[in-house]
Amino acid sequence: DIQMTQSPSSLSASVGDRVTITCRASQSISSYLNWFQQKPGKAPKLLIFDASRLQNGVPSRFSGSGSGTDFSLTISSLQPEDFATYYCQQNYDSLSITFGPGTKVDIK
Amino acid sequence: QVQLVESGGGVVQPGRSLRLSCAASGFTFSSYGMHWVRQAPGKGLEWVAVISHDESKEYYADSVKGRFTISRDNSKDTLYLQMNSLRTEDTAVYYCAKDPRWLQFEGSFDYWGQGTLVTVSS
Repeated sequence: DIQMTQSPSSLSASVGDRVTITCRASQSISSYLNWFQQKPGKAPKLLIFDASRLQNGVPSRFSGSGSGTDFSLTISSLQPEDFATYYCQQNYDSLSITFGPGTKVDIK
Repeated sequence: QVQLVESGGGVVQPGRSLRLSCAASGFTFSSYGMHWVRQAPGKGLEWVAVISHDESKEYYADSVKGRFTISRDNSKDTLYLQMNSLRTEDTAVYYCAKDPRWLQFEGSFDYWGQGTLVTVSS
């Protein structure tokens, strides 16, 4: 299986901050990388697919980059509704899908 | 709008069985692959299984292979997960999720249900 890691595991930030979360795959996954946001008690929500493509309806302050093994999710100006846990997920091996362990973003 | 509504969760003893359902609406169910993803309490996300739009293909995570069976009824727009030989480590919220690729599956999830909690405990 392709292993996914994320860093940091958690971070504290203020409204208006620029936040970057990184994700690394154990082998090259090209651009088969998605990002999800999950709030407590809610289902995950797709933010970014194919490493850098914004899902319909997602604010443009969210962006994704990277290819191969190293990826990042950036929130350009953190808003109150962005405090949540973020997961990366690879679908390079679509028959053995794996997620990163998550990054919790909370209020400083 | 796309809606996915899971049901069938509950408390079950180890070794017993449970069947989850996911009722879909707002899209052409028979044209999309469907997945189950689970999340143990306080833990991360784990993909469980996928079924192709026409039921011809199904794939499973190693952790559930041989115990769980994914199926669908396209005449009822409903996805199922039959869970047998349940273990305490299967305790989780189970989500159904739609694959975005028409007539194939690419292993992403563009819509999710609200989840149903399965607790395996004696």
